[in-house]
Amino acid sequence: AAGVIQSPRHLIKEKRETATLKCYPIPRHDTVYWYQQGPGQDPQFLISFYEKMQSDKGSIPDRFSAQQFSDYHSELNMSSLELGDSALYFCASSVRQGLLYNEQFFGPGTRLTVL
Amino acid sequence: QKEVEQDPGPLSVPEGAIVSLNCTYSNSAFQYFMWYRQYSRKGPELLMYTYSSGNKEDGRFTAQVDKSSKYISLFIRDSQPSDSATYLCAMTPFGNEKLTFGTGTRLTIIP
Repeated sequence: AAGVIQSPRHLIKEKRETATLKCYPIPRHDTVYWYQQGPGQDPQFLISFYEKMQSDKGSIPDRFSAQQFSDYHSELNMSSLELGDSALYFCASSVRQGLLYNEQFFGPGTRLTVL
Repeated sequence: QKEVEQDPGPLSVPEGAIVSLNCTYSNSAFQYFMWYRQYSRKGPELLMYTYSSGNKEDGRFTAQVDKSSKYISLFIRDSQPSDSATYLCAMTPFGNEKLTFGTGTRLTIIP
């Protein structure tokens, strides 16, 4: 079965550089979520999109922006990178079914290291 | 204070033992409760979800939710070395909203 695809899997950047993380949801999934997991930490919600519109926003720094494209893939753009941005970034996708439980399927994550 | 608290462990038990993992939470709006398993360098994988209070069983896994105490548990019976992973509890008020996670418990099953 198709899974959530994230690229790149690993990324090393210098401070103040820019990074772009990509997420390809499971086919026919219309909702994408981004989470950040610091070392030894729980995943923290950043932002979500439903049908290409932002649906919710969490603790996402102003230096970060994201969007969902017409093919439902999503990109997380991170500028002016800081050491504290080093983390595992997960994308999850789901099919919205009203208020019923919508399982979120997680990708393998992108490990970002900022030097 | 975090909305969801989970003992980070690590927890080591012998193969065949019963494992109990727990989370407490403070937000009474949470209605959906999930347990995810995360292997090293992989994304979280859903094990079970429960709506509101009650028990749910799936093979060797049983999830319990006590909303009155704001306490959820995952029991693993006849634990296997392949169960060694980090277990994360997660919860959400509505089924289509962001998840709030616990910090995860690292579990090792010793053969």
